[in-house]
Amino acid sequence: AQSVTQPDIHITVSEGASLELRCNYSYGATPYLFWYVQSPGQGLQLLLKYFSGDTLVQGIKGFEAEFKRSQSSFNLRKPSVHWSDAAEYFCAVGSDSSYKLIFGSGTRLLVRP
Amino acid sequence: DTGVSQNPRHKITKRGQNVTFRCDPISEHNRLYWYRQTLGQGPEFLTYFQNEAQLEKSRLLSDRFSAERPKGSFSTLEIQRTEQGDSAMYLCASSSGQGGNQPQHFGDGTRLSIL
Repeated sequence: AQSVTQPDIHITVSEGASLELRCNYSYGATPYLFWYVQSPGQGLQLLLKYFSGDTLVQGIKGFEAEFKRSQSSFNLRKPSVHWSDAAEYFCAVGSDSSYKLIFGSGTRLLVRP
Repeated sequence: DTGVSQNPRHKITKRGQNVTFRCDPISEHNRLYWYRQTLGQGPEFLTYFQNEAQLEKSRLLSDRFSAERPKGSFSTLEIQRTEQGDSAMYLCASSSGQGGNQPQHFGDGTRLSIL
């Protein structure tokens, strides 16, 4: 079955510290991978996407993610977190066989001053 | 701002009533999606349109749910005889082009509360 796992429900980091949010997927077809961010009461904003090619992709707001096929992972990273990064982060997978996205259950990021 | 627009933002209704939500996609986007998000969970796919054709429906979309996209522009999602379990955020997204690699752009959602 197709699925996305985000093993960390909550993560707390200090402002200025580095961040890594984990995402593992299970998908039979070649996956397209996405990270979205959601602030309370808002919709989802696309941070970055991976389709093919270079396995390290850059996104908005200083985020990057690395696709590792052997580990079925697509972890999100940021070298220095800002207080405004506090939000919920969702990893999602899609493909050409079905245009729907399958989302993980999300990781809530808290930033300590 | 020409993003995805959803109305209303909030809807409170009594159990058993019918509700309808509207989504206006980004104007040049031919695909439109509906998702449902419950507290503490990621969005779950409900249905998808390419232009006016509804091409895929989730098993989550019971007989009480119906979605339309007349003329391939805006879309409506109707829930009949609402139940407590329908309380959720209903998200609309749109995308363009061919293939599954086109990113979906989301609206701010309609939050439904069933009394």
